[in-house]
Amino acid sequence: SQTIHQWPATLVQPVGSPLSLECTVEGTSNPNLYWYRQAAGRGLQLLFYSVGIGQISSEVPQNLSASRPQDRQFILSSKKLLLSDSGFYLCAWSAWGRRETQYFGPGTRLLVL
Amino acid sequence: QKEVEQDPGPLSVPEGAIVSLNCTYSNSAFQYFMWYRQYSRKGPELLMYTYSSGNKEDGRFTAQVDKSSKYISLFIRDSQPSDSATYLCAMTFRMEYGNKLVFGAGTILRVKS
Repeated sequence: SQTIHQWPATLVQPVGSPLSLECTVEGTSNPNLYWYRQAAGRGLQLLFYSVGIGQISSEVPQNLSASRPQDRQFILSSKKLLLSDSGFYLCAWSAWGRRETQYFGPGTRLLVL
Repeated sequence: QKEVEQDPGPLSVPEGAIVSLNCTYSNSAFQYFMWYRQYSRKGPELLMYTYSSGNKEDGRFTAQVDKSSKYISLFIRDSQPSDSATYLCAMTFRMEYGNKLVFGAGTILRVKS
């Protein structure tokens, strides 16, 4: 069966510091991968998606970037965090040929102070 | 106007009640309709998805889609305290890479024992 991992689970970072969040998927090959952000009391906002290694598309301009160095690894980064980057970050995957259904990881709660 | 509207609640019901959760949408290009359940501080879990208008049943859950009215519902029968969570509706439309999910803001459900 497929599983998706995210780490760390919780992170507190000062403004201006760098960020690296990691997501890995097991049990599937060539998945589509996604990064979402969920602000308190709001729905999920798609940040980035990837259909393959090195292929990244950005949905909204922002202070963040994403990379996919391996087939089942997706990384969310920032060089300098802003207060507005605080939120709940979720990684998701969908299977090749079943892109209508996305499955989410446990999430990383980021607080920028 | 948001593409997907969902009442944030909270909706509070006694154990055993039938729960009705609803979303309306404005984009007639949406193709798949989904319901996710999200427990506090966890990632969303896919409950059900459907493509066509009509009803789809899975245990205590029934998903209903009315494309002519642009309205979807999730019914929970014999609600349990363990059903207490935030329920997110989501809809997809086609993009070049596959399907993009658009989420409602989520409805908080509390089932009291």
